[in-house]
Amino acid sequence: ETGVTQTPRHLVMGMTNKKSLKCEQHLGHNAMYWYKQSAKKPLELMFVYSLEERVENNSVPSRFSPECPNSSHLFLHLHTLQPEDSALYLCASSQGFGQETQYFGPGTRLLVL
Amino acid sequence: AQSVSQHNHHVILSEAASLELGCNYSYGGTVNLFWYVQYPGQHLQLLLKYFSGDPLVKGIKGFEAEFIKSKFSFNLRKPSVQWSDTAEYFCAVKKFSGGYNKLIFGAGTRLAVHP
Repeated sequence: ETGVTQTPRHLVMGMTNKKSLKCEQHLGHNAMYWYKQSAKKPLELMFVYSLEERVENNSVPSRFSPECPNSSHLFLHLHTLQPEDSALYLCASSQGFGQETQYFGPGTRLLVL
Repeated sequence: AQSVSQHNHHVILSEAASLELGCNYSYGGTVNLFWYVQYPGQHLQLLLKYFSGDPLVKGIKGFEAEFIKSKFSFNLRKPSVQWSDTAEYFCAVKKFSGGYNKLIFGAGTRLAVHP
């Protein structure tokens, strides 16, 4: 148990659907991250939030919309996705941005049909 | 382009064999280095990390890694692997960029250990 939970663990959606991924951290951290893990590719950083403010958007398409209502929760809202968006979406958290380790959740495996 | 390279995408070993997984990075200046492991069906877990000091870092489960600054390398080693080490291993570099520290991952090495 890493203290970072993600729901749902699996999601199948059509290209016209709207869905949301949820991440919750129980570690008292103040920074949270969304990563995309595609087959045979490095983990790609999508979004970074520090103290509930977005500090990085790594040129992610607007069909992905993050939301961080408080330091413990992070959402990724999905709409009009493409099949190539199918991947494992990982949430992570850390205490600040210094030498602190990032702790990862189990991920949401997304399949877009 | 700046990157993190893991030399082997797939490695197959028998139990008790020695393991070395390569990792090279192309960032200059001060970096923090990590190895993460992802066991089948489980989340990414930190195996070990290097920030400063002794370049030979000991991690969990008998793993170690050596930071060689001149070679921009941070190879992961284990003298004798077990079946339970079957997993995917990710090297990562933390680099200060854009006002905060960013974690950049390699593509991963999938290790299969046969009994």
